[in-house]
Amino acid sequence: AQSVAQPEDQVNVAEGNPLTVKCTYSVSGNPYLFWYVQYPNRGLQFLLKYITGDNLVKGSYGFEAEFNKSQTSFHLKKPSALVSDSALYFCAVRDAAAGNKLTFGGGTRVLVKP
Amino acid sequence: GAGVSQTPSNKVTEKGKYVELRCDPISGHTALYWYRQSLGQGPEFLIYFQGTGAADDSGLPNDRFFAVRPEGSVSTLKIQRTERGDSAVYLCASSLRAGGTYEQYFGPGTRLTVT
Repeated sequence: AQSVAQPEDQVNVAEGNPLTVKCTYSVSGNPYLFWYVQYPNRGLQFLLKYITGDNLVKGSYGFEAEFNKSQTSFHLKKPSALVSDSALYFCAVRDAAAGNKLTFGGGTRVLVKP
Repeated sequence: GAGVSQTPSNKVTEKGKYVELRCDPISGHTALYWYRQSLGQGPEFLIYFQGTGAADDSGLPNDRFFAVRPEGSVSTLKIQRTERGDSAVYLCASSLRAGGTYEQYFGPGTRLTVT
């Protein structure tokens, strides 16, 4: 079985400050990891993914994520948050050896204050 | 290019009625997925298609739920004898291929309300 945990329901950060959204995962085999963002009344938008290789992955809108195998984590980061980054963020995992469905975490709401 | 589209955007129905939700994937994408997102939760997998066939339907909650993709493009999710607990946003996604490293691209969803 595969699972994802996002321990924080909400993250508050001031504009211009670093933003981190936490994610830990559990899979039997090798993980494929994804981050999506959801704006109100819109579908999920793909931000970035980790498949293999470099543990630091860069994605859209200045976001990056670091894969840590020993801690089974894939935290999302942005060096300088913008008010427009306020949204709902989802981490997802796919077990490379166990099919094609994504398992999502419960989501973390990010609020960036001016 | 055009993204994944879903119709209707909102559907209100009475308990016990039958509903159909439609998904148009990105052109050329062979894999299509259905998820259900309840309020305050992450999406939950329902079913996915590779071409015309359902490759994994393990997420369908019961036999009231059924999905088809007869020509390998548009898909319809069908719910019989709807219940209030079926109320959720139903999301469709597509990817170039199934499996491997391909990310899924999501539509805006259909908000289903069962009264």
